[in-house]
Amino acid sequence: AQSVTQLGSHVSVSEGALVLLRCNYSSSVPPYLFWYVQYPNQGLQLLLKYTSAATLVKGINGFEAEFKKSETSFHLTKPSAHMSDAAEYFCAVSLSQEKTSYDKVIFGPGTSLSVIP
Amino acid sequence: GAGVSQSPSNKVTEKGKDVELRCDPISGHTALYWYRQSLGQGLEFLIYFQGNSAPDKSGLPSDRFSAERTGGSVSTLTIQRTQQEDSAVYLCASGQGAGGYTFGSGTRLTVV
Repeated sequence: AQSVTQLGSHVSVSEGALVLLRCNYSSSVPPYLFWYVQYPNQGLQLLLKYTSAATLVKGINGFEAEFKKSETSFHLTKPSAHMSDAAEYFCAVSLSQEKTSYDKVIFGPGTSLSVIP
Repeated sequence: GAGVSQSPSNKVTEKGKDVELRCDPISGHTALYWYRQSLGQGLEFLIYFQGNSAPDKSGLPSDRFSAERTGGSVSTLTIQRTQQEDSAVYLCASGQGAGGYTFGSGTRLTVV
């Protein structure tokens, strides 16, 4: 079965510094991978997704993630952190063999990002 | 509607009572999920519906929990004989195709 781990339940960065949130997955077949963000007291919003096209995926708000099969990783990065990036970030994996058939989406435990002025 | 709609947005119930939570997915989305998010915790998978396939119920925590999806659209999550540990935000999401999934705003359930 697929699973997701996120290294670091809490990450703090200075405003303007690089953001790196780690995600590793385990899957026996090529997965679909997602990053979601949850701002305080709000629902989850899709940041970006990897669906077997380009390995470097660009998302909203300047975030991007790179799928590395050899490392089974899908780390999320942003060159320069902004105060508004403070939120909970969830990595998720889904086994998708066909365009019309999808396995359930499993979420990682989440990483809380704090941005220090 | 344009998004996933969940109702009620907040529900306070007494221990032992039954509750029903409703999810209206985006029209045309064949996949529908229920997750539970407890305070300060991640998302716990509960149940997954995909088209006409049998639902994946592997995440339901006990037989007090059940869910159905009528006509491939609206879904209802029912919790019988609620317990205090059932207090959480219950999130519904729907999806179609190779994209990610759109989440509703959730139902905050408080069992007193």
